[in-house]
Amino acid sequence: DQQVKQNSPSLSVQEGRISILNCDYTNSMFDYFLWYKKYPAEGPTFLISISSIKDKNEDGRFTVFLNKSAKHLSLHIVPSQPGDSAVYFCAAQQDSYGKLTFGQGTILTVHP
Amino acid sequence: KAGVTQTPRYLIKTRGQQVTLSCSPISGHRSVSWYQQTPGQGLQFLFEYFSETQRNKGNFPGRFSGRQFSNSRSEMNVSTLELGDSALYLCASSLRAMAGEAFFGQGTRLTVV
Repeated sequence: DQQVKQNSPSLSVQEGRISILNCDYTNSMFDYFLWYKKYPAEGPTFLISISSIKDKNEDGRFTVFLNKSAKHLSLHIVPSQPGDSAVYFCAAQQDSYGKLTFGQGTILTVHP
Repeated sequence: KAGVTQTPRYLIKTRGQQVTLSCSPISGHRSVSWYQQTPGQGLQFLFEYFSETQRNKGNFPGRFSGRQFSNSRSEMNVSTLELGDSALYLCASSLRAMAGEAFFGQGTRLTVV
């Protein structure tokens, strides 16, 4: 049972444009959501998070939006840069415990 | 401040053998979690330890076990290795017991032949 889903395996964007990565979840008990970026041969790196009591969190070029009624969150990267090319994972937590439930990941490619 | 350190980085084992992986969390972090990453299954949660106690466990067989020491360092053991255990094993540490970002190590690439 895939509780966190990233339905787009890949996304290609031109440098300077907006990248929008999407994530859907099924477990209404999730109360904290995170985005991670992963380069090959490295562990995931934390990007940004959002609590279920908020609907938006912004950090520089990265903004995460949460729509609880739709059980959907998205990560916006503006402007996109070639160095943003990586695999992006969304993750969710329940009851504030350490376990993270990850989506399958989306490969983002930003073309110069 | 040193990051999360996992050893070894690469490992090749034969079916039926056992293996122990090590993880040293960021200094001061008391929560350590383990994940298995495979191409087909993505990142799957194995277990989490906080102050030497296992708080949470994923859906893996009993061949997968772990422990945490008083200095927060953690080990993961897999017994009777199977070909399907070939994966990248990632360790993550967190400062608090509550929800929040976890910091990952570079992982141990295990290949079972």
